[in-house]
Amino acid sequence: DTEVTQTPKHLVMGMTNKKSLKCEQHMGHRAMYWYKQKAKKPPELMFVYSYEKLSINESVPSRFSPECPNSSLLNLHLHALQPEDSALYLCASSPDQGAGGYTFGSGTRLTVV
Amino acid sequence: DAKTTQPTSMDCAEGRAANLPCNHSTISGNEYVYWYRQIHSQGPQYIIHGLKNNETNEMASLIITEDRKSSTLILPHATLRDTAVYYCIVRPIFSGNTPLVFGKGTRLSVIA
Repeated sequence: DTEVTQTPKHLVMGMTNKKSLKCEQHMGHRAMYWYKQKAKKPPELMFVYSYEKLSINESVPSRFSPECPNSSLLNLHLHALQPEDSALYLCASSPDQGAGGYTFGSGTRLTVV
Repeated sequence: DAKTTQPTSMDCAEGRAANLPCNHSTISGNEYVYWYRQIHSQGPQYIIHGLKNNETNEMASLIITEDRKSSTLILPHATLRDTAVYYCIVRPIFSGNTPLVFGKGTRLSVIA
């Protein structure tokens, strides 16, 4: 299995909702990442997990809460989002944090209404 | 802090070679050049990387100048499915806590 699987592919949520994005990989990778991508912009790093511990938080607002339950799973919990948080959310993994070969999922297209 | 410079956009005729340039004049000796691409509405895809020698794989070739200050990604026979944004990224060999950071990239349009 050489893929990163993200669910759901599309999500529409209200500003008072709580939802979660899920990411899964079975490549034995020990580093996992969340990126946010606005239209016609490059992906921007949000969080890095290394060996299931949060190692980088790029000053992301607390309405985004990451979780790494085990080495194969990465979640992004969403609460009280704003319309400007609408974006493509990408998950990626790599063998470890120092290895350059990232594998990306296809992303979750989030719309906040 | 951009470490690479790429043209904003390029066109290429289908079946011809697509040559995508990247300037990385401040690259240091312990940094690789990586190329990723992102097809519309998909996640970025790794293409190739190199240190100082030219590299080739099933997707592309990477030509790095002798002074390592620039490189060119070559797609030998571009198809419509190669239309994407191509990102050139410089990263240390031992990246430690340095994650992958994307610049603006080059939007390649392959035209029939």
